Amino acid sequence: QVQLVESGGGVVQPGRSLRLSCAASGFTFSNFAMHWVRQVSGKGLEWVAVMWHDGSNEYYGDSVKGRFTISRDNSKNMLYLQMNSPRVEDTAIYYCARDIAAAGNGGGAEFWGQGTLVTVSS
Amino acid sequence: QSVLTQPPSASGTPGQRVTISCSGSGSNIGDTSVNWYQQLPATAPKLLIYSNNERPSGVPDRFSGSKSGTSASLAISGLQSEDEADYYCAAWDHSLAGWVFGGGTKLTVL
Repeated sequence: QVQLVESGGGVVQPGRSLRLSCAASGFTFSNFAMHWVRQVSGKGLEWVAVMWHDGSNEYYGDSVKGRFTISRDNSKNMLYLQMNSPRVEDTAIYYCARDIAAAGNGGGAEFWGQGTLVTVSS
Repeated sequence: QSVLTQPPSASGTPGQRVTISCSGSGSNIGDTSVNWYQQLPATAPKLLIYSNNERPSGVPDRFSGSKSGTSASLAISGLQSEDEADYYCAAWDHSLAGWVFGGGTKLTVL
């Protein structure tokens, strides 16, 4: 069955860097687009980024554009989110999610991991 | 302020039919398909409806989706206590070049 396991969360100071990882199993990773979605405690879902199945396209939400970078290693079935210059308002649970399709602009997030908590605080 | 607009709350009694609306614009719902997610307390979201009205395997047929113009709706019939959760709509927005979520609707089963 599809499994997505996030790691790398924790406490990070504003302006420092943090890299989140998502280990995928139970499906052919290279066939599907992958997303990062976050949720502030008690608030709604906010889409962060998506990468096409082959890494050919990537898109970001306005609040993280220019600071965060999504990447993937299809040989290792891994998805990453490099968080540079994090801000207090980036504090949230970060979910990794597999898309329904290979391209990231049509199907949408289908399977979700359990999330990893990132706290940005001095 | 979310790009997609949902009512913050909805409620119903067991057995009742409840609908949740999601309003967007021509650059998102009006031009693409809509997904619906269910998030039970302290759990990850779960895909409930995709492509406006398709149910993933395992989702009961009590849940149905529809779309008309720039709005979409999620209907839950035969309401059950375990349906108490937060519900979110989502769509790709061509102008923003990204996915947008509704603000979420908290469903209470009275």
